[in-house]
Amino acid sequence: ETGVTQTPRHLVMGMTNKKSLKCEQHLGHNAMYWYKQSAKKPLELMFVYNFKEQTENNSVPSRFSPECPNSSHLFLHLHTLQPEDSALYLCASSQDGTVNEKLFFGSGTQLSVL
Amino acid sequence: AQTVTQSQPEMSVQEAETVTLSCTYDTSESDYYLFWYKQPPSRQMILVIRQEAYKQQNATENRFSVNFQKAAKSFSLKISDSQLGDAAMYFCAYRSIIQGAQKLVFGQGTRLTINP
Repeated sequence: ETGVTQTPRHLVMGMTNKKSLKCEQHLGHNAMYWYKQSAKKPLELMFVYNFKEQTENNSVPSRFSPECPNSSHLFLHLHTLQPEDSALYLCASSQDGTVNEKLFFGSGTQLSVL
Repeated sequence: AQTVTQSQPEMSVQEAETVTLSCTYDTSESDYYLFWYKQPPSRQMILVIRQEAYKQQNATENRFSVNFQKAAKSFSLKISDSQLGDAAMYFCAYRSIIQGAQKLVFGQGTRLTINP
């Protein structure tokens, strides 16, 4: 248990659905991240939040909408997704986003888009 | 842009033996950080070891050590006395030291199997 909890663990959705992924960290960290892990591809950074402010958007399509209401919670709102968006979505946190920090990851949400 | 390459999609080793996972990277920066993360079947990525590029001494963490060759841009991970619990995907990652840079660039991963 690393202190980062993601729900749901699995999610199947149609292309017209709207769903949300939730991430919660109990570590007192100030930086939170969304990563996408596709089969046979390296992990890709999607978004970074520092002290609730978005500091990085790695050219992510607008059908992915992040929300960080406080330093402990991070959401990823999904709408009108495509089958190629099927992947493992990992949330991570770190103390304050400095370069040598250790990232703490959750167990991810395995998303299937039909 | 930085890239990280892990040329071994899969590796296997006998329990109690030693295995080395390869990683090379490409960068024009002189200072940076390198990491090895482990992802077991539980899917949770766990930091195994990290190395600061300005340090010549190779990092070690118990049975895990790295061979950092800065000129060759190589960062291999050695696991000694392999245990069944070491079975996982292993990812090499690079992080710029530039202020504000928050992107970890990952390699494609190496799946390590431990044979009893």
